[in-house]
Amino acid sequence: KQEVTQIPAALSVPEGENLVLNCSFTDSAIYNLQWFRQDPGKGLTSLLLIQSSQREQTSGRLNASLDKSSGRSTLYIAASQPGDSATYLCAVNGWAGRRALTFGSGTRLQVQP
Amino acid sequence: DVKVTQSSRYLVKRTGEKVFLECVQDMDHENMFWYRQDPGLGLRLIYFSYDVKMKEKGDIPEGYSVSREKKERFSLILESASTNQTSMYLCASSTLGGGTIYFGEGSWLTVV
Repeated sequence: KQEVTQIPAALSVPEGENLVLNCSFTDSAIYNLQWFRQDPGKGLTSLLLIQSSQREQTSGRLNASLDKSSGRSTLYIAASQPGDSATYLCAVNGWAGRRALTFGSGTRLQVQP
Repeated sequence: DVKVTQSSRYLVKRTGEKVFLECVQDMDHENMFWYRQDPGLGLRLIYFSYDVKMKEKGDIPEGYSVSREKKERFSLILESASTNQTSMYLCASSTLGGGTIYFGEGSWLTVV
């Protein structure tokens, strides 16, 4: 059974820092991996989707990498801002389309002004 | 703008009541999902559906059922609500090919 782990569970940084969030998964036979953001009491917003054949994806100040063979993904946030404060979750999709995502428990990020 | 709409944001129900949580998506997605999210337990899959009238159990289907009569609508049913079903429920959808998954805003259910 796929298991997804995110480290650290919580992170507090001053504004402007570059930071890395980590995600690991136990079964490398994945179809894709997604990173999400969740604000308190809200649903999840998709940030980046990486297909299993890709190594990385970028969107603005966000860059996500995928090393499928080692079962790892990282989310890099450049020049962090207070508005980046949220919980970040990664999730893996183990089968094309029909299977649902398996989620990590998230990293709660606080960016101090 | 893509949209997954959960009709009820906050509900309070009594133990034993039948509860319906409705979800509608406007993206013509084949896949629809119901998750629940609890502190310390993360998101857990209850049921998902990849076509009208098709459903598959997720990790925690006990005490729940689902209905998908139309492609855009996926309903979660608590046949007899219990206090351990107090949680945040999240609906989501995606294409059959497994692209980006989109979530609704969530439904907070309290069972008293």
